[in-house]
Amino acid sequence: AQSVTQLGSHVSVSEGALVLLRCNYSSSVPPYLFWYVQYPNQGLQLLLKYTTGATLVKGINGFEAEFKKSETSFHLTKPSAHMSDAAEYFCAVSDGENTGFQKLVFGTGTRLLVSP
Amino acid sequence: NAGVMQNPRHLVRRRGQEARLRCSPMKGHSHVYWYRQLPEEGLKFMVYLQKENIIDESGMPKERFSAEFPKEGPSILRIQQVVRGDSAAYFCASSLGRTSNQPQHFGDGTRLSIL
Repeated sequence: AQSVTQLGSHVSVSEGALVLLRCNYSSSVPPYLFWYVQYPNQGLQLLLKYTTGATLVKGINGFEAEFKKSETSFHLTKPSAHMSDAAEYFCAVSDGENTGFQKLVFGTGTRLLVSP
Repeated sequence: NAGVMQNPRHLVRRRGQEARLRCSPMKGHSHVYWYRQLPEEGLKFMVYLQKENIIDESGMPKERFSAEFPKEGPSILRIQQVVRGDSAAYFCASSLGRTSNQPQHFGDGTRLSIL
């Protein structure tokens, strides 16, 4: 079975500082990996995804993530935090090759707090 | 270009009542997924449907819960005889296809509260 672990339920940064949100996964097959962002009382918005190919993936709003197979990690980064980045971030894994569809397994989320 | 529409946004029910949650996928999308989010937790997969067919319901409780996606109209998640533990946010997502190159787009969810 697949699983996702997000270290740190809350991460606080100052505006302009580096953002690093950690995600480790467990999968018996080559994983597809995703980062989603959730603003209060809204649904999830896809930030970026990794399926195959280049291991450094660039997403929207200046975020990027790097797939490291040896570390089973897919950490999310942004060089400079903005106040509008404050939200809940979810890492997810899919074993699409195995089940034949996108059965997403989510981590418990990391709430990003950005202070002025 | 409307996204995934869910209604109602908030639903309050008393224990023992029925809850019906609706989801209209994005235009052109025929794949629908339902997820449940309990407080302070991530989303948990419930069911995957294509038009008129349930493809995978491995995450759905065996009793009281059912889902459909008719040929015409929205997808419906139905919870019969609700209990306090059903209080959660229920999210619907839709996609153009079933592969990961066609990502899931999420609605804003229905917050279900059980009194």
